[in-house]
Amino acid sequence: QSALTQPPSASGSPGQSVTISCTGTSSDVGTYNYVSWYRQHPGKAPKLMVYEVFKRPSGVPDRLSGSKSGNTASLTVSGLQAEDEADYYCSSYAGSSHWVFGGGTKLTVL
Amino acid sequence: QVQLQESGPGLVKPSGTLSLTCAVSGGSISSSNWWSWVRQSPGKGLEWIGEVYHTGTTNYNPSLKSRVTISVDKSKNQFSLKLTSVTAADTAVYYCASPTGGYYYGMDVWGQGTTVTVSS
Repeated sequence: QSALTQPPSASGSPGQSVTISCTGTSSDVGTYNYVSWYRQHPGKAPKLMVYEVFKRPSGVPDRLSGSKSGNTASLTVSGLQAEDEADYYCSSYAGSSHWVFGGGTKLTVL
Repeated sequence: QVQLQESGPGLVKPSGTLSLTCAVSGGSISSSNWWSWVRQSPGKGLEWIGEVYHTGTTNYNPSLKSRVTISVDKSKNQFSLKLTSVTAADTAVYYCASPTGGYYYGMDVWGQGTTVTVSS
């Protein structure tokens, strides 16, 4: 069970859109539609932003959207705001009641 | 709304056992939730450690399975993590978390995290 692969960093100017990728394998992302995305601000606990690939928990703005194609899931943050600057982690069900996280992407709002 | 709070020693000696507890408030540990542990090494990403159901059923990260035990204490409405034979590589912030919306929902409730340092 290996960690999912995310780019270490991403950036964009206020108002722009940024997409963060999360690449797994046919044993996790490619097979299961149970991909979640978390936002983590420094010194804080992660916060669930997207679940089951594209669904948003109550209170999460629709500026955040998730998708998946093959073994790669993506999170798009539109209309970038200062509050979006954080670390983002993807997670996927990996079968046999196991879960795997990505290495994280640091999003910088320029 | 369920809330979680981790507690336990902040310093553990190498080769010792790390023991943490997660207190559940605002709900019962016997509800239809799984209860998880996740850790984050300094400057690193998140790592799923494992999970427990109120029946005692557990699932563990294969890379840690030989050293991990997660259990439930219904009388105290809490669950616990034990990690044996620790090394400096186990130094991390340990979070307890739960997918209260269902097993595949994603972990929507998290504790604040507790820092554990492995050092002599």
